[in-house]
Amino acid sequence: QVQLQESGPGLVKPSQTLSLTCTVSGGSISSGFNCWSWIRQPAGKGLEWIGRVCTSGNMNSNPSLKSRVTISVDTSKNHFSLNLTSVTAADTAVYYCARGPGFDFVYWGQGILVTVSS
Amino acid sequence: DIQMSQSPSSLSASVGDRITITCRASQSITTYLNWYQRKPGKAPKLLIWGASNLQSGVPSRFSGSGSGTDSTLTISSLQPEDFATYYCQQSYSTPVTFGGGTKVEIK
Repeated sequence: QVQLQESGPGLVKPSQTLSLTCTVSGGSISSGFNCWSWIRQPAGKGLEWIGRVCTSGNMNSNPSLKSRVTISVDTSKNHFSLNLTSVTAADTAVYYCARGPGFDFVYWGQGILVTVSS
Repeated sequence: DIQMSQSPSSLSASVGDRITITCRASQSITTYLNWYQRKPGKAPKLLIWGASNLQSGVPSRFSGSGSGTDSTLTISSLQPEDFATYYCQQSYSTPVTFGGGTKVEIK
């Protein structure tokens, strides 16, 4: 059974970079053809897909965030990461990592609250 | 981007009730429509994929239907553990997008 767990700082200062890691257990991150996504939910708002990286190395992201988002995979550590640059208070949210198949998100982490504040 | 809207945004119901939640896309998404359940402090759980396919392990009281722009999630007999927020999501095109959610509360 694949399990995902987010980790990273819960507080980030405005204009800095938000960095989160999702550790995968119960299977290899590089087995098969899988894509690994980040999704977030600001308080009182809906879910927003941030982007994904696939085991092929391809990455795509939400155009609303595109220039600020990098998602990468570290197969040696069996985890994937999110970097979101130049954060503002609008980036305060619960961040989830998730996996398909495809865009049918079967596997989710528990979520991590990240607050952007000075 | 494809916009997803859900109705109602909230509803109150009793155990044993049959409820229906509607999701509408801003353009046709054929059957690329998923439904999730989310409880406070928990990750979303996939209930229905491809508009009408029950995810493994999900009780049969949940069902989905629809195609094109309109889809529905039905719970045939509401159980205490079903009080949660439900989201639809289109997987037809990127960026994938979610509905705003429907909160199901105890009457």
